[in-house]
Amino acid sequence: GESVGLHLPTLSVQEGDNSIINCAYSNSASDYFIWYKQESGKGPQFIIDIRSNMDKRQGQRVTVLLNKTVKHLSLQIAATQPGDSAVYFCAESRDTGRRALTFGSGTRLQVQP
Amino acid sequence: ETGVTQTPRHLVMGMTNKKSLKCEQHLGHNAMYWYKQSAKKPLELMFVYSLEERVENNSVPSRFSPECPNSSHLFLHLHTLQPEDSALYLCASSAQGADEQYFGPGTRLTVT
Repeated sequence: GESVGLHLPTLSVQEGDNSIINCAYSNSASDYFIWYKQESGKGPQFIIDIRSNMDKRQGQRVTVLLNKTVKHLSLQIAATQPGDSAVYFCAESRDTGRRALTFGSGTRLQVQP
Repeated sequence: ETGVTQTPRHLVMGMTNKKSLKCEQHLGHNAMYWYKQSAKKPLELMFVYSLEERVENNSVPSRFSPECPNSSHLFLHLHTLQPEDSALYLCASSAQGADEQYFGPGTRLTVT
């Protein structure tokens, strides 16, 4: 069936290092991908998104890479900070007119001081 | 967060109670969503409203009843819930034709 999944449930990195969070999707018709950050007690917060006609998109300290050949999505966080500790979700949607998102199960990022 | 607000933030209810969750968005969006977030499970889409019309009901039990009186407000009416319905209920909104959804802080629901 269709699924959006994450490779690792928990990622622990040292402060200042770069973090890479991976996500796999199975539906080749997916044309929009988005990363969210969810801190404890809060709702998901938008980080960055990318459309299927792109391979890479950069934001402030974050980069999303899309490999459509292997249906893989990654989020790179440069110079990881303690405030980056959270659960990160990838999500995808297809152009169905309703744009409802299908979420992955999430990766917990722990930043060690 | 002032973009999308949800009340109450926490709710404990018995299986015979009737309660309602409220969501309000201050972003001028015209699409609103209810999601359920359970422990160790991905966010599950429940309902989608676009221009105040329900456009999707994702096989949600009838004990959950949504209402969208206008483009800024969304309710989720709850009755005769089960303990397995305990979860974080998240509301989101988006602009028509846009993909990015903005989430509220959620209502933590516990059914006893």
